[in-house]
This record gives sequence, structure tokens and C-alpha cells, in this order.
Amino acid sequence: EAAVTQSPRNKVAVTGGKVTLSCNQTNNHNNMYWYRQDTGHGLRLIHYSYGAGSTEKGDIPDGYKASRPSQENFSLILELATPSQTSVYFCASGDGGQSNTEVFFGKGTRLTVV
Amino acid sequence: GQQVQQSPSSLVLQEGENAELQCNFSSTATQLQWFYQSPGGSLVSLLSNPSGTKHTGRLTSTTVTKERRSSLHISSSQTTDSGTYLCAIKRGNYKYVFGAGTRLKVIA
Repeated sequence: EAAVTQSPRNKVAVTGGKVTLSCNQTNNHNNMYWYRQDTGHGLRLIHYSYGAGSTEKGDIPDGYKASRPSQENFSLILELATPSQTSVYFCASGDGGQSNTEVFFGKGTRLTVV
Repeated sequence: GQQVQQSPSSLVLQEGENAELQCNFSSTATQLQWFYQSPGGSLVSLLSNPSGTKHTGRLTSTTVTKERRSSLHISSSQTTDSGTYLCAIKRGNYKYVFGAGTRLKVIA
């Protein structure tokens, strides 16, 4: 069974503080993703990576950085958290290429910025 | 404009009725996947179906690639089917784009 683990599951941060969300996958997938989910917007792609050492901007990258130090780990970093970044964040992993493979999600991190 | 559009946005059924969910996409897709999300929960993959018809349990998905549309049929709905159903397409090698989802409520 494909496994994507996110930590922490819940986080309260203060405005202006630094927040790091972590994601680990044991699927040996090349691609990893960070999405946020908000009512009225659905799932939106923040950053993604197609392998260790790579990070790419998704559709809404402003205010976020990403880091992929290894095949298994992909972090999302909010250097200066703002209340507008209050959301549920999902990490996912999947194979690259034009393959008929699936993407698998973690259980999400609920972030509240006060 | 929106690349993945789902309809209806919400649906209420009596237990035992069938549900038909639609997904239309505006760009070429190398993969199409249907997900289920329980209220406050994570996304669980239901079916991966870039073309043709696939069945699993009470679920049937039909994707017509040339017409850029996919459907998810849920037969004999149960109260435990309640939640949000999301359609996602894969663009190129990397990016998945999601629709806004269909909220399904099944009442006993």
C-alpha cells in the first residue's frame, strides 16, 4: 500500500513566524506535490518536485518555498506566515512520465495562522 | 478558465438510488483519476481511468478522451458514500489539476 505521511497534522502559527510542513513517502515515487485546499477553491498546486534536489513552482507559489532533500522527503516552508495561509495542506506522491500511474495523498495538515 | 469542471456541484440521494457524476476537462490529459474525500478527511483514490470503462465494486467510470469527459457512476448508493468526489487530470508528466468536486449526500 502506497504511503504518504505528513507532519504535523495540526499546527497553529503566529503571523510572521516560520512554518515547516514535512512529508515523507515510501512509494519510491519520483514526483511529489504540495496542495492547499480551501472552500470555494478546491485543491490548488503550490509546489512540486520531480526528483531529489528539484523543486518547481505550481499555480500558487507566492509566499511558499519547497525543499526536496531526498527521494522520500518533501517540505513546504512558509518563511513569514500570514493569516491568508490558513488552510489544509496536502502532500502527494506519484510516478513521473506519461505513465498510467496514480497519485497518492497524505492525510493533510491543518494550519491556522493567528 | 477552469481546466476541470465537475457537475453537479452537489447531489442528495435516497439510499439505494444511483448517482452519476460528471467531469469535463479542457486540456489534454495523460491520466484521469477519481478521488473520494470524507468530510474533514484525506483524498482516497477510487479509480484511475484515462480512457474507456473501468469497474470496481459499485463504481463504474467511463472516460471518452476525444470528448474530454469522464463520468463516475455509483450504483445502489449507501449513506457511507456521502462525501466529496473529486476528478483530477494529469497534464504532461507532472501536474495534476483538480475539479472543485461534487458533494454527495445519501440519506437513509
